[in-house]
Amino acid sequence: EPEVTQTPSHQVTQMGQEVILRCVPISNHLYFYWYRQILGQKVEFLVSFYNNEISEKSEIFDDQFSVERPDGSNFTLKIRSTKLEDSAMYFCASSEGASLGGDEQFFGPGTRLTVL
Amino acid sequence: SQKIEQNSEALNIQEGKTATLTCNYTNYSPAYLQWYRQDPGRGPVFLLLIRENEKEKRKERLKVTFDTTLKQSLFHITASQPADSATYLCAPLMEYGNKLVFGAGTILRVKS
Repeated sequence: EPEVTQTPSHQVTQMGQEVILRCVPISNHLYFYWYRQILGQKVEFLVSFYNNEISEKSEIFDDQFSVERPDGSNFTLKIRSTKLEDSAMYFCASSEGASLGGDEQFFGPGTRLTVL
Repeated sequence: SQKIEQNSEALNIQEGKTATLTCNYTNYSPAYLQWYRQDPGRGPVFLLLIRENEKEKRKERLKVTFDTTLKQSLFHITASQPADSATYLCAPLMEYGNKLVFGAGTILRVKS
């Protein structure tokens, strides 16, 4: 069964450093997403991406964040200058895009980011 | 502002019983409502979707209802098993939106 994969599973970084989180969405999916979950809190939407551009982003997704689809399979989230409060589990997801709100989203296993 | 509320306390039930989880929303009219399951340290997994013109949807032991007048969805697991223990998340969506805005989730614990 096709699945979304993410690497690394755990990333530890120093405050102020840049990190890149990587995702491989399901191959025939058209929409890609990043969500985050701070420990003990709810899953929060960060950004959605379609046709090589951002289709929607949340207030959390400020200038320190960026997304990219560098090739036909990878989808990345870059955090430019990490802060302590960026420590969270980051989930990538993808969906077919046939009916937007009617599409199920497939989530990856997550990358746990720890900022020291 | 838009708000999603799920049972704030954990739901503890005995194996074999029916679990009923509630999702209430305010200040918007979603066209869809999706339910996901999340296990500790894992990503959410899609369970069921119901449309605003559907009163009820079933899949195996799962049943979802959607009452647009009450602005509420109920999620039922019949003949519950310890393996059903997880956090259950609801996410109402607009017609042309695909941003999942989750409730805080309800923790379900099924005891054998």
